[in-house]
Parts: sequence; structure tokens; C-alpha cells
Amino acid sequence: GDSVTQMEGPVTLSEEAFLTINCTYTATGYPSLFWYVQYPGEGLQLLLKATKADDKGSNKGFEATYRKETTSFHLEKGSVQVSDSAVYFCALSDLKTGNQFYFGTGTSLTVIP
Amino acid sequence: DAGVTQSPTHLIKTRGQQVTLRCSPKSGHDTVSWYQQALGQGPQFIFQYYEEEERQRGNFPDRFSGHQFPNYSSELNVNALLLGDSALYLCASSLAQVRATEAFFGQGTRLTVV
Repeated sequence: GDSVTQMEGPVTLSEEAFLTINCTYTATGYPSLFWYVQYPGEGLQLLLKATKADDKGSNKGFEATYRKETTSFHLEKGSVQVSDSAVYFCALSDLKTGNQFYFGTGTSLTVIP
Repeated sequence: DAGVTQSPTHLIKTRGQQVTLRCSPKSGHDTVSWYQQALGQGPQFIFQYYEEEERQRGNFPDRFSGHQFPNYSSELNVNALLLGDSALYLCASSLAQVRATEAFFGQGTRLTVV
């Protein structure tokens, strides 16, 4: 079945450091890929998405590219801020399975000043 | 637009009891999905409702049941609560039959079973 494997955390970075969170997926169909972010005490918010191979999703300085050949969707940001501290979830969905989301286990990011 | 709203925000129940959680989807959305998020884990899909019927179901026992009303709002019911049911329960709304549709999540209901 479909699944997502996400880089284990927690990750602690200094402000302005470069961020990479690895994500790989397994899917029988042709899924869409997402990154969601969860701030403390809140629900999940969509950060970015990509719907086909080689698509790049981007938002708020974060980027991720849909790599079909390596089944990956790694999240990157060139310069993190304290306000980026949160838990990040990689996810996939496929219309064939009714658009249910399969999430990774989440990566906790703490950015220190 | 109020987005996805869930109630209650917190709940404490005793083992063996039953609980009902409620969700109102984002305006214009017709599909509601429920997820269970254990501490330190990613959300796990419970089931999805569209046109007042359960359309998809994850690997959860029959103790978990749901309902969708004509106004698209939904309820999640859990019977015979176990300590392991303690988790954050998230409701997500979306549009049916639209590829790559974004799911909008509520803030969740934190259920504690004692």
C-alpha cells in the first residue's frame, strides 16, 4: 500500500541555517505530494504541494521537488527563522484511494536565535 | 470563512465509555475525513464521508463509527473506549473527486481516556 517515510527528528538549527528534511514515498498509483506544518496546539496547515513529476512546490521560502525517479519529496529552506519552529509532515494522496492522506511520522524543528 | 471547526477541544473519558466528536467543514467542501494522531506520530486515516456515506476506511476497528449530515458536518463516535484511544482527533474537509485537492484541518479534539 501507499506510505511515506520521513526523516527522524528532532532537528535543531541556528537561525539562518539551511534546512533539509528528507521524505520518500511508496505508492502504487501516481500520487500528489504535500508538506504540512503543525504549530504547537494547532491543527495541520498546508505548506506546499506538487502534483506531478519534476513539479516544484514553494511557499514562505520553503521548496520541495517531486522526484519520481527517486520517489522523494525533500523539504528545503535556505535560511530558517525562529518562527519556523514547528513539526513538519510529509504526505501523499491519490484520487484512486479517495484522496485519503498518508502521513509520515513528522519531523520536529527547533530554530534557536 | 471560519474554516474547519471541531468540538469539543478537550475531553476526558473513562475506559469503557462512549464519545462523540463533531466537525463542521470549510464552506463549500463536501467531504469530511477523520484522523487519529497519537503523541509524536503522524495522523492516521480513520474514515472518510461523502454524500452522507462512508467512502473509505482505514485500519480501525468497528468501535469507530461516523456519520455525515445533509449540511456536510460530521460526527465521529468511539465506543468502549480504551486507554490507547487517547489521542488528538483531527477532522479534515476537502472536495470530492478533485485530484490533488488540499485537505483543510481543524485544530482537533484532544481525547484523554483514563
